[in-house]
Amino acid sequence: DIQMTQSPSSVSASVGDRVTITCRASQGISSWLAWYQQKPGKAPKLLIYAASSLQSGVPSRFSGSGSGTDFTLTISSLQPEDFATYYCQQANSFPPNTFGQGTKLEIK
Amino acid sequence: QVTLKESGPVLVKPTETLTLTCTVSGFSLSNARMGVSWIRQPPGKALEWLAHIFSNDEKSYSTSLKSRLTISKDTSKSQVVLTMTNMDPVDTATYYCARHKPWFRECYFDYWGQGTLVTVSS
Repeated sequence: DIQMTQSPSSVSASVGDRVTITCRASQGISSWLAWYQQKPGKAPKLLIYAASSLQSGVPSRFSGSGSGTDFTLTISSLQPEDFATYYCQQANSFPPNTFGQGTKLEIK
Repeated sequence: QVTLKESGPVLVKPTETLTLTCTVSGFSLSNARMGVSWIRQPPGKALEWLAHIFSNDEKSYSTSLKSRLTISKDTSKSQVVLTMTNMDPVDTATYYCARHKPWFRECYFDYWGQGTLVTVSS
């Protein structure tokens, strides 16, 4: 199975900051990667698919990049509603559709 | 409006079989290449994909849980059913069903149910 490793596991930032979260796949997955945002007690929400495509309705401050094994999610200017946990998911090799372990974005 | 809703028991005993139902609306399980997955999340832990089923009845399972899982669908009822045998306390988790983003071969989950917390305890 392909393993997905996110870093950092947690990050503290302030409103207005630029934040980058990385995700590394244990083998190449082309651009078949998604990013999700999850708030406490809620289901995950799709933000980015195919590594860099913005899901409909998601603010443009969210962007994704990368291919092969290394990917990033960038939030250009943090808003109060962005404090949440973020997960990457590889969609190249299924089964299984593996998720990363999550990155918790906290208020500094 | 696309919605998915999970239903099933909130408490099961060890060794019992869990049956969860996902009822969907706003799309048809018979649409070409339409897929639905089950995904779980133990308290405070990461997401784990379990199984998926497509409109053509193609099915796939988690490598580690394959022997315990069965996924099926009833298109007329707009339902996807997951059974997991031999439940253990480590299977305590919130179980989600999620729709695959249409027209993609890859599985991106664009709509999710609210999730249902299943606790395994005697």
